[in-house]
Amino acid sequence: GQQLNQSPQSMFIQEGEDVSMNCTSSSIFNTWLWYKQDPGEGPVLLIALYKAGELTSNGRLTAQFGITRKDSFLNISASIPSDVGIYFCAGQLEGAQKLVFGQGTRLTINP
Amino acid sequence: KAGVTQTPRYLIKTRGQQVTLSCSPISGHRSVSWYQQTPGQGLQFLFEYFSETQRNKGNFPGRFSGRQFSNSRSEMNVSTLELGDSALYLCASSFRLGQETQYFGPGTRLLVL
Repeated sequence: GQQLNQSPQSMFIQEGEDVSMNCTSSSIFNTWLWYKQDPGEGPVLLIALYKAGELTSNGRLTAQFGITRKDSFLNISASIPSDVGIYFCAGQLEGAQKLVFGQGTRLTINP
Repeated sequence: KAGVTQTPRYLIKTRGQQVTLSCSPISGHRSVSWYQQTPGQGLQFLFEYFSETQRNKGNFPGRFSGRQFSNSRSEMNVSTLELGDSALYLCASSFRLGQETQYFGPGTRLLVL
């Protein structure tokens, strides 16, 4: 099936640092979603993007829908301990109904 | 507005048994999707229900089935459980069919012994 390449797989950073992660594909997407999942819980929707080039912020989080419609990135500024978790990208392929998920980026923060 | 709720949160079963998981979507949402999440395979799509009908299906064996009721609540059933069915089962709801902007529940953690 269609794959999303999410990178990096894991990140180890210091509190206060900025974080950047991205998802890429060879296919075109109509929608990009970014989720955060804490251990033992379901993913929580952070940001939804619906148009190529769209740049959307949610507090310290900023995400962009790539102009080519084949990629998206998520930035977290001034990281804090509660940012720890696994971040997933998900996309809805053009002409399809199912969402495709990336493999996740595990973020660990050293205080 | 209440979020997606799933029951039970934790479940332990033995091989060969069957299990039923329940999901209540966000009020007003009519589409419910089910996912299996394991460390090795990530999030795998099981199926999506809309207006009490299965509309999309992933690549899982027939032991995995589901249904949706007129109030949009959904159940998922797994028969003849196998050890490999141990996973976090997530339900997600969205306003309409097509799965864009899905909201997830907390999941049901199933352990098969």
